[in-house]
Amino acid sequence: DTAVSQTPKYLVTQMGNDKSIKCEQNLGHDTMYWYKQDSKKFLKIMFSYNNKELIINETVPNRFSPKSPDKAHLNLHINSLELGDSAVYFCASSQDVAQRGYGYTFGSGTRLTVV
Amino acid sequence: AQSVTQLGSHVSVSEGALVLLRCNYSSSVPPYLFWYVQYPNQGLQLLLKYTTGATLVKGINGFEAEFKKSETSFHLTKPSAHMSDAAEYFCAVSDSGNTPLVFGKGTRLSVIA
Repeated sequence: DTAVSQTPKYLVTQMGNDKSIKCEQNLGHDTMYWYKQDSKKFLKIMFSYNNKELIINETVPNRFSPKSPDKAHLNLHINSLELGDSAVYFCASSQDVAQRGYGYTFGSGTRLTVV
Repeated sequence: AQSVTQLGSHVSVSEGALVLLRCNYSSSVPPYLFWYVQYPNQGLQLLLKYTTGATLVKGINGFEAEFKKSETSFHLTKPSAHMSDAAEYFCAVSDSGNTPLVFGKGTRLSVIA
């Protein structure tokens, strides 16, 4: 059973489209994250949710909108896709925002290609 | 603000040789430090972590790292490289509960037969 699962694994779409990436964790964790990994492998935090509430929102364009229907799910919706949005998006979870010693469990990533 | 510097974006070693990947951090409070590995087209997997206590920590696949506060370092080592160790390695730091993990830019390890 996959601990943190993301769908889809690959996503190719045209500029201007709207797309969503889904993430689910079955670890019982309270906190979930979205990271963006660019072509140089650099990982940057985008959002963090704790128990369905947004706690971190980095300087991300408002075309990106996370949604957490429950603490086991954190989806990422992207409007009006641009070429620069092409990247690998990773979902992660951790036990609790205050339990920083546990580290994060990552999904396998969604490779988004905007053409 | 916390930050991580990984010296060397690419390290190449021969099979059987020592692996040394360098990580220096900046943190305003005692840090929690992590090493993650990313194999091609996969997510990140936790190799090892330092929270408190013993400064030499052992992880999976024969890797270990030593926390040196005086040098603000957390270098990753493995005595003998294996072909299967070829991957991207990321050092990360957490200095408070409300801030997310901050990652270094990664070091790509190549292992030559």
